[in-house]
Amino acid sequence: QLQLQESGPGLVKSSETLSLNCTVSGGSLTSTSYYWGWIRQPPGKGLEWIGSIYFSGSTYYNPSLRSRVTVSLDTSKSQFSLKLTSVTAADTAVYYCARITDYAFDSWGQGTLVTVSS
Amino acid sequence: IELTQSPGTLSLSPGERATLSCRASQSVSGNYLAWYQQTPGQAPRLLIYGAFRRATGIPDRFSGSGSGTDFTLTISRLEPEDFGMYYCQHYGSSLIKPHMYTFGQGTKLEIK
Repeated sequence: QLQLQESGPGLVKSSETLSLNCTVSGGSLTSTSYYWGWIRQPPGKGLEWIGSIYFSGSTYYNPSLRSRVTVSLDTSKSQFSLKLTSVTAADTAVYYCARITDYAFDSWGQGTLVTVSS
Repeated sequence: IELTQSPGTLSLSPGERATLSCRASQSVSGNYLAWYQQTPGQAPRLLIYGAFRRATGIPDRFSGSGSGTDFTLTISRLEPEDFGMYYCQHYGSSLIKPHMYTFGQGTKLEIK
């Protein structure tokens, strides 16, 4: 059974870089059938797609975040990662990783809260 | 493309029928329209993809319909575990914005 697990610091200082990993078990990051993505949800608010990556390394980003976001893949560790630079309080959110198939997010990690402190 | 969900809050009792709406700012392909359920403290769960296809393990009381700009999620008979937030989501691709995912703002389904 596919499982995704986010990991990384829960507290990041303003202007620094947020870094998260998503470890995938029970499935392969090299499958041609799936993309892998990051989504976030500020406290009490809705969902926002951040970016996605394909096994080939092709990446796609939300235009509103593109200048600050990098998503990468490490198949040897069964992980994909998110880096978000120059964070502010507006980046405080629960960050989810997910698998994408048929243009929908069909499996999600449990999410990890990242708080940006001043 | 923007997605607008209505109503913002829907108050119903267990056993009743729920109808949730998702309207797109322009016509979209139903192949790219999905619905999610999120209960407090949990990750979203995929319910419907391709506008009407139920995801694995989703009960048949959940159904999706619609086309063009108007899509609907229907829950035929509400169970206590069905109350929570519901989001629609669209995948779009264009020369300017290839591979883009957009979520609606959500509908809160609460117990009356």
